[in-house]
Amino acid sequence: EAGVAQSPRYKIIEKRQSVAFWCNPISGHATLYWYQQILGQGPKLLIQFQNNGVVDDSQLPKDRFSAERLKGVDSTLKIQPAKLEDSAVYLCASTLGSGRADTQYFGPGTRLTVL
Amino acid sequence: GQQVMQIPQYQHVQEGEDFTTYCNSSTTLSNIQWYKQRPGGHPVFLIQLVKSGEVKKQKRLTFQFGEAKKNSSLHITATQTTDVGTYFCAASLYNQGGKLIFGQGTELSVKP
Repeated sequence: EAGVAQSPRYKIIEKRQSVAFWCNPISGHATLYWYQQILGQGPKLLIQFQNNGVVDDSQLPKDRFSAERLKGVDSTLKIQPAKLEDSAVYLCASTLGSGRADTQYFGPGTRLTVL
Repeated sequence: GQQVMQIPQYQHVQEGEDFTTYCNSSTTLSNIQWYKQRPGGHPVFLIQLVKSGEVKKQKRLTFQFGEAKKNSSLHITATQTTDVGTYFCAASLYNQGGKLIFGQGTELSVKP
């Protein structure tokens, strides 16, 4: 079974530039999550999709971050414009269902450096 | 917002010593999951605890869920160099679907 795919793996941009990340979850997984992991901290949920609908985006900085999952499969996360404090690893995870008992499978992440 | 406190932040042990990390919440949890993240890697699921007072073992790892479902621990017996990494607890609250709140993690280093 193929795992969660993410690209790019690394990205370096200057502040005020835009950047986009892509995630392809495990086939058949209904729920997709985007997390931000700052160095030395645990992952922080940015947004949760179930199929193509948003379940939770309460911690997404909506003035600069946006995400979509138009066909209920892969997803993109965009930052526009980027700030220095956005430097982090952006992790995508997916689960088969949407309940509390589901194991989250994480992708390798995209390491973003904002200069 | 809801937080999950995890201690210690770092733990350095000699190979063969035991290791324990603790996770605490002020709110009763629906369940708690534990993940391991190797240096440069991504979190990998270890186990899930659901029942009050539950204890689960995986070889040298023992996971416990408190009676009040507000705390949890992970204990590693006789650490090995392969245990190196950061261990995260991730809590699930009632009425919040699949959302997980991660602790800050405990970084374990093992000296051979």
